[in-house]
Amino acid sequence: NAGVTQTPKFRVLKTGQSMTLLCAQDMNHEYMYWYRQDPGMGLRLIHYSVGEGTTAKGEVPDGYNVSRLKKQNFLLGLESAAPSQTSVYFCASRPWELEKLFFGSGTQLSVL
Amino acid sequence: KQEVTQIPAALSVPEGENLVLNCSFTDSAIYNLQWFRQDPGKGLTSLLLIQSSQREQTSGRLNASLDKSSGRSTLYIAASQPGDSATYLCAVRRGILTGGGNKLTFGTGTQLKVEL
Repeated sequence: NAGVTQTPKFRVLKTGQSMTLLCAQDMNHEYMYWYRQDPGMGLRLIHYSVGEGTTAKGEVPDGYNVSRLKKQNFLLGLESAAPSQTSVYFCASRPWELEKLFFGSGTQLSVL
Repeated sequence: KQEVTQIPAALSVPEGENLVLNCSFTDSAIYNLQWFRQDPGKGLTSLLLIQSSQREQTSGRLNASLDKSSGRSTLYIAASQPGDSATYLCAVRRGILTGGGNKLTFGTGTQLKVEL
């Protein structure tokens, strides 16, 4: 049972480039989340989804877009990367009836 | 706006010691509070979840308490071991009726090192 899988694990981008982070979960969870973790700031919610075909903005959504075309996948896109988006990105999921979150191992993104 | 604070930012203790990690939050209208563990280069693992109506939860050597009125939670670790070394984060979810929805507010964590 793989749980929550994030790809890639590391990525370096130049300012202005675009990329997509993939989160896949095999637990049939309804809820999925994208967070970013920065030193001294804790985890902050970027976007989330409460089910296939739905997305909603979190605390820091600017500069990011998301899609949930399939229940098991939640994609995070950066259309034009900026150095301020250098961070560690975490995906998480949970079933609707349980509050406990299951996290992926993270993606370290550097924007030069 | 909910703010979650964890003090100290780092803690070093000898093996076998009992210890307490602190978490405080500014808005007492919470739905629940979770404690997580994060190992270097890894994601977060949920340890304990306390609903707003509960006072404490226990799992093995871990005990988490919640005092909603004072805006505080503690994570007690008994008989600490080197394998407990990690960063411990707490996160609160606001009450649904106050518009909290699905959003958690995280603290910045306490980095724990248990030495032999």
